[in-house]
Amino acid sequence: KNEVEQSPQNLTAQEGEFITINCSYSVGISALHWLQQHPGGGIVSLFMLSSGKKKHGRLIATINIQEKHSSLHITASHPRDSAVYICAAGPQETSGSRLTFGEGTQLTVNP
Amino acid sequence: NAGVTQTPKFQVLKTGQSMTLQCAQDMNHEYMSWYRQDPGMGLRLIHYSVGAGITDQGEVPNGYNVSRSTTEDFPLRLLSAAPSQTSVYFCASSYSGLVSDTQYFGPGTRLTVL
Repeated sequence: KNEVEQSPQNLTAQEGEFITINCSYSVGISALHWLQQHPGGGIVSLFMLSSGKKKHGRLIATINIQEKHSSLHITASHPRDSAVYICAAGPQETSGSRLTFGEGTQLTVNP
Repeated sequence: NAGVTQTPKFQVLKTGQSMTLQCAQDMNHEYMSWYRQDPGMGLRLIHYSVGAGITDQGEVPNGYNVSRSTTEDFPLRLLSAAPSQTSVYFCASSYSGLVSDTQYFGPGTRLTVL
């Protein structure tokens, strides 16, 4: 079973700071997802990575397959970025999506 | 499109009661799943379905039952509620069930079992 660990568990930043959230996993994967859970509870997908780097607005996600590690970066953070960020690792493709989820990183951005 | 909808949003049950959590999606997705989210733990898969008429167990299936009679609907039944089933439940869907597919989540159901 894949073990997915996120760090830090909690992160407080000032508006405008550059933020990094880390995710490591124990076995080889074919896909790594980053999700955002809003304070109201809803979960939305941010990125799916299988290699390299993706960027969407102020969010950048990277993955290093050899080191079994992914990072989510937020540039010029804003209070509206306050949320729980969750990474999820998917094994080599099998029937039925069996993602393993990290516990999440609670991010608070203060004005 | 409404995406993935769940009802109810909140529910309080007494130990031993049964209930059904409803989940529906209007994106014609083949794959649907149920997760529970507990403090200090990642989302855990309860049951999933790769298409109408096909269901399978996830990581924590005990005490739950599912069926998939249509592509759109995937209800989760609690057979005899226990306090250990107090949790937030999320339904999710994706196009085909590949681990690389984007997952779409419902708004969640907060269940308390007394």
